Amino acid sequence: EPEVTQTPSHQVTQMGQEVILRCVPISNHLYFYWYRQILGQKVEFLVSFYNNEISEKSEIFDDQFSVERPDGSNFTLKIRSTKLEDSAMYFCASSSRAFRVEWGGEQFFGPGTRLTVL
Amino acid sequence: DQQVKQNSPSLSVQEGRISILNCDYTNSMFDYFLWYKKYPAEGPTFLISISSIKDKNEDGRFTVFLNKSAKHLSLHIVPSQPGDSAVYFCAARETNSGYALNFGKGTSLLVTP
Repeated sequence: EPEVTQTPSHQVTQMGQEVILRCVPISNHLYFYWYRQILGQKVEFLVSFYNNEISEKSEIFDDQFSVERPDGSNFTLKIRSTKLEDSAMYFCASSSRAFRVEWGGEQFFGPGTRLTVL
Repeated sequence: DQQVKQNSPSLSVQEGRISILNCDYTNSMFDYFLWYKKYPAEGPTFLISISSIKDKNEDGRFTVFLNKSAKHLSLHIVPSQPGDSAVYFCAARETNSGYALNFGKGTSLLVTP
């Protein structure tokens, strides 16, 4: 069964450093997302990406964050200068179609990358 | 702001019995609701969904009920199995918002033999 994969599973970095989290979405999916979950809190939407551009982003997704699809398979989240509060589990997700109330458009999640900022 | 609330952090049910997980929401613009299941060290897995034009959707052992007037939905698992032990997240999507899912904090379900 196709699945979303993410690397690394755990990333430790020093405050102020840049990190890149990598994701390989399901191969025929066209819509890509990043979410994060700070320990003990809810899963929060960061950004969605379609047709090589950001289609929606939350207020969390400020100028420190960027996303890219550098080739036909990878989808990356970059944090330019990490802060302590960026420590969280970061989930990548993908879907095959845009959301419609009639059919949904369920998002399929990867296992996550745990980011620890020291 | 917590627009999707799962007020029970945990639930314990005996194998074979019904598990009922509850979710409340505050945003009347939500028009699509989803339940995800999450095992440790894995990402959330889609379980079942319901559109706001329906009040019930069933898939095997899983049924989701939606009460729009009460802004409440519930997930019923019948019969519960030990393999159902996981964290269950309720999520909702807002009309015209595009793609973002709004998640609750989750309910940890333990099904005991």
